[in-house]
Amino acid sequence: GQQLNQSPQSMFIQEGEDVSMNCTSSSIFNTWLWYKQDPGEGPVLLIALYKAGELTSNGRLTAQFGITRKDSFLNISASIPSDVGIYFCAGQETSGSRLTFGEGTQLTVNP
Amino acid sequence: KAGVTQTPRYLIKTRGQQVTLSCSPISGHRSVSWYQQTPGQGLQFLFEYFSETQRNKGNFPGRFSGRQFSNSRSEMNVSTLELGDSALYLCASSLVSPPTTQYFGPGTRLTVL
Repeated sequence: GQQLNQSPQSMFIQEGEDVSMNCTSSSIFNTWLWYKQDPGEGPVLLIALYKAGELTSNGRLTAQFGITRKDSFLNISASIPSDVGIYFCAGQETSGSRLTFGEGTQLTVNP
Repeated sequence: KAGVTQTPRYLIKTRGQQVTLSCSPISGHRSVSWYQQTPGQGLQFLFEYFSETQRNKGNFPGRFSGRQFSNSRSEMNVSTLELGDSALYLCASSLVSPPTTQYFGPGTRLTVL
């Protein structure tokens, strides 16, 4: 089956710094989604991308759907302590079946 | 608009027992997908229901089953529980099927002793 590689696995940054994480796929996707999950809770949708090349922002978060349709990145600017959590990318193949999730990026923000 | 709700939030069972988890999607959403999340395997797709029909199924044994009711609420059942079934079970709702943008509930934490 398809693989989704998410990197980095973890990040330790200082408050105020910018953060970047990305996902690459072995297959072409028609949708990329980015989620944030806090401990013991379900993932919360941050940004949804539906077109190759699409660049979408949600406050301090910016995500892009790669031109090749096999990758996506998420940037967080001016990080704050509440940004702590696990960030997941998820992709959906052109066949429109299930979501495939990346392994997650654990973000720690030091005040 | 209320989000996805899941009950119960926490559950403790013993090996061999069976368990039923419930999910109520966002009002108007007709697609419900179920996922299992474990530290080792991450988020893995179990199955998706739309209009009371299973539309897609992941690679899980037949002990894992589900159903959807006419009001779009869904249940999943796990029979003959094993220790390895301990996980966070998440359901996600979407307006349509195949599901595009999915919204997750808080999950049910199942512990099998």
